[in-house]
Amino acid sequence: AQKVTQAQTEISVVEKEDVTLDCVYETRDTTYYLFWYKQPPSGELVFLIRRNSFDEQNEISGRYSWNFQKSTSSFNFTITASQVVDSAVYFCALSEARTGNQFYFGTGTSLTVIP
Amino acid sequence: EAQVTQNPRYLITVTGKKLTVTCSQNMNHEYMSWYRQDPGLGLRQIYYSMNVEVTDKGDVPEGYKVSRKEKRNFPLILESPSPNQTSLYFCASSSRTGLKGGYTFGSGTRLTVV
Repeated sequence: AQKVTQAQTEISVVEKEDVTLDCVYETRDTTYYLFWYKQPPSGELVFLIRRNSFDEQNEISGRYSWNFQKSTSSFNFTITASQVVDSAVYFCALSEARTGNQFYFGTGTSLTVIP
Repeated sequence: EAQVTQNPRYLITVTGKKLTVTCSQNMNHEYMSWYRQDPGLGLRQIYYSMNVEVTDKGDVPEGYKVSRKEKRNFPLILESPSPNQTSLYFCASSSRTGLKGGYTFGSGTRLTVV
């Protein structure tokens, strides 16, 4: 069973539109960590954010915001006023305290921002 | 600059010819890991290491070997590469207490096995 599901394979938006990338996870651990990574066309993986399971506060960082809801096992990522530079593949990932070292990645959402 | 360095960035090889992809980190991290990225499958963990001389299998270890003789290095070895190992490979590292903060990834190695 997939531990992290990113149902949106590809999304296209016009510049300045808002866009939300969905992430649903599955775990039986009470202690776990959620992450978002960005993979621009150049290919490297860039860490964006991590959340632990005890902290359900939403977070905002500039144009980026994250909505963590344990009740629905979701950790969605919103980009406000999207820009062309936001075009990338975005990965959501889960790490369980029990297995510590293993990251479970979703299959990624490819975002294209059209100028 | 804190970083994870992988080499080579690109590699084309033939079936059965042993190869090694090197990975080195300069952050004194305990944890290191190898992933492969394939279209539609995301990133899947191959092997990981919690410290020197401690390694364990991830989700897709078949056909791969690793070693951790020194803290900074974690090479990935393909003893007899096959075309289904054509993929984009990433090495990553994290401190013991910083795993919650996420891995630092290398720039990736694109391997083609013909």
